[in-house]
Amino acid sequence: NAGVTQTPKFQVLKTGQSMTLQCAQDMNHEYMSWYRQDPGMGLRLIHYSVGAGITDQGEVPNGYNVSRSTTEDFPLRLLSAAPSQTSVYFCASSHRVNTEAFFGQGTRLTVV
Amino acid sequence: AQSVAQPEDQVNVAEGNPLTVKCTYSVSGNPYLFWYVQYPNRGLQFLLKYITGDNLVKGSYGFEAEFNKSQTSFHLKKPSALVSDSALYFCAVRVRYNQGGKLIFGQGTELSVKP
Repeated sequence: NAGVTQTPKFQVLKTGQSMTLQCAQDMNHEYMSWYRQDPGMGLRLIHYSVGAGITDQGEVPNGYNVSRSTTEDFPLRLLSAAPSQTSVYFCASSHRVNTEAFFGQGTRLTVV
Repeated sequence: AQSVAQPEDQVNVAEGNPLTVKCTYSVSGNPYLFWYVQYPNRGLQFLLKYITGDNLVKGSYGFEAEFNKSQTSFHLKKPSALVSDSALYFCAVRVRYNQGGKLIFGQGTELSVKP
């Protein structure tokens, strides 16, 4: 199994550009989430999904959109990139609420 | 509000000595608790979890953690540290019911093990 796959690994954007971070998992997990990691702040939840067609906002959703049309995929869209969105982004999935989450390798995004 | 605190930004330990990385939490109801480790430029890897039952849980790479309900703590421990244990450690709590299984993370503790 590949687990959780994120693409791209690195990305540089100009302010105002849009892009989609891809996340796919092959474990048939219902729960999927997007986090951003910033120094000294741990991981903060952006959006999450408890199944196909169901998404909700996390702690820091502004400037990001998500959709979950299939169990496998959970893309994160940046609508109009801002320097404050420079961060490392992680996608995670888990089977149930009481099971551990599996994380992708991360996407390092720089907005200039 | 639900929260997780890791009071130490950095923990320094000599190789062979025991290590403790502290974590306290504040959630409503009974929590699911997790520890993850992150090596440089990598994603997070699961170490161990507490769901229910025995307060001392054992995990990967010789790590263990003790759940203390009265102190709302879930400290990570290892009897004898290795240089290869040097990494960033995150404590996390999952909220049950009506929260979509969201994971709430502490800010992380950098563990440095010196030879």
